[in-house]
Amino acid sequence: QVRLQESGPGLVKPSETLSLTCTVSGGSISSPTFHWAWIRRPPGKGLEWIGSIYYTGSTYNNPSLKSRVTISIDTSMNHFSLRLTSVTATDTAMYYCARQHGSGAYYEGRWFGTWGQGTLVTVSS
Amino acid sequence: DIVMTQSPDSLAVSLGERATINCKSSQSVLLDSNNKNYLAWYRQKSGQPPELLIYWASIRESGVPDRFSGGGSGTNFTLTISSLQAEDGAIYYCQQYYSNSFSFGGGTKVEIK
Repeated sequence: QVRLQESGPGLVKPSETLSLTCTVSGGSISSPTFHWAWIRRPPGKGLEWIGSIYYTGSTYNNPSLKSRVTISIDTSMNHFSLRLTSVTATDTAMYYCARQHGSGAYYEGRWFGTWGQGTLVTVSS
Repeated sequence: DIVMTQSPDSLAVSLGERATINCKSSQSVLLDSNNKNYLAWYRQKSGQPPELLIYWASIRESGVPDRFSGGGSGTNFTLTISSLQAEDGAIYYCQQYYSNSFSFGGGTKVEIK
């Protein structure tokens, strides 16, 4: 059974870069059947998709976050990572990593089937 | 971008009663070529990550109790809990995957009356 675990600093200063890693166990991150995603939930708000990556390194991100987001993958370590630059208080949220169904073919389903427990990141000086 | 709108924002339901949550998309999420609705539902209990309940608008994920059912097509969808249990007090989200800019509804909080 695949498990995902987020790790990284819980406190980031404004204007700095948020960096998180998601370690996958019980399954290979190189599986062609899945993408790997980051999703967040700000306090008192709903879920927001941040971006997704395939084992080949192909990525796509939420346009609302523009060029602040970088998602990378390390198949040798079986983990993937998120970098969010120039953070502000509005980036304070619970951050989740998730396994996303689908290899990218246009007709495939792309739901988020397995989630990590999440990690709270607070942006504050 | 496809905007997902849920209603109501919250509802209180007695144990054993039915709960119905609505989700509306700003454009159709039905792909004509395969007649599938690109919509999923999730439940998020307090302090836990979201869990997948339904995909393709009406297919229950393995292990999900049959009191959960999804319906609708095109732009209007529903999630129904036929007989509310204590563990169903949670926030429910719909999500579209028709567009590669995936989006969630704002959530509906279900409380036990």
